[in-house]
Amino acid sequence: GQQVMQIPQYQHVQEGEDFTTYCNSSTTLSNIQWYKQRPGGHPVFLIQLVKSGEVKKQKRLTFQFGEAKKNSSLHITATQTTDVGTYFCAGEANFGNEKLTFGTGTRLTIIP
Amino acid sequence: DTGVSQDPRHKITKRGQNVTFRCDPISEHNRLYWYRQTLGQGPEFLTYFQNEAQLEKSRLLSDRFSAERPKGSFSTLEIQHTEQGDSAMYLCASSWGQKRSSITSEQYFGPGTRLTVT
Repeated sequence: GQQVMQIPQYQHVQEGEDFTTYCNSSTTLSNIQWYKQRPGGHPVFLIQLVKSGEVKKQKRLTFQFGEAKKNSSLHITATQTTDVGTYFCAGEANFGNEKLTFGTGTRLTIIP
Repeated sequence: DTGVSQDPRHKITKRGQNVTFRCDPISEHNRLYWYRQTLGQGPEFLTYFQNEAQLEKSRLLSDRFSAERPKGSFSTLEIQHTEQGDSAMYLCASSWGQKRSSITSEQYFGPGTRLTVT
């Protein structure tokens, strides 16, 4: 079955440093979504990428979708304490079965 | 509050008992999803409804699990003969989709029901 892996599993950064998480799928994706889950909270949608090579920005967050539509990345510039949480990518398989497979997540902690 | 709601928020049960969870999606949403999440893992897909039709069910889901969405609004997830391995957070999410096989749009998650089986 489809597998979605993320690296690193954990990341500790000083406040103000940059952060990147990488997502890799075992199969080609029709689209990929990113979610953030705060400690004790539920996943909250951040963005969806559909096109090959697509890049989207949300303030300090930059999202990329690979050319082969099998990998993606999330980069945060100048982290802040509000960025703390676990970031999940979630991919939908190319045949459009309307099912998201979530990645293993990257847990970000900020050292003030 | 117009978000996704789930009830109960916490459930402690003894092994072998049956439990039922409820999810109320955002009213305009026609798609409803159930996920299971264990500590340190991402949400794992369980099943999915478009309106009242259950269109997809994970192969990982045993026959002890059943879900319904009788009127295309709220949904229930029942686990029969619970086992300790069923202990997890059960998340419900909803979204809007125009038709079968369209790309999944953003999903709105509820707060979850934390199940502990003793």
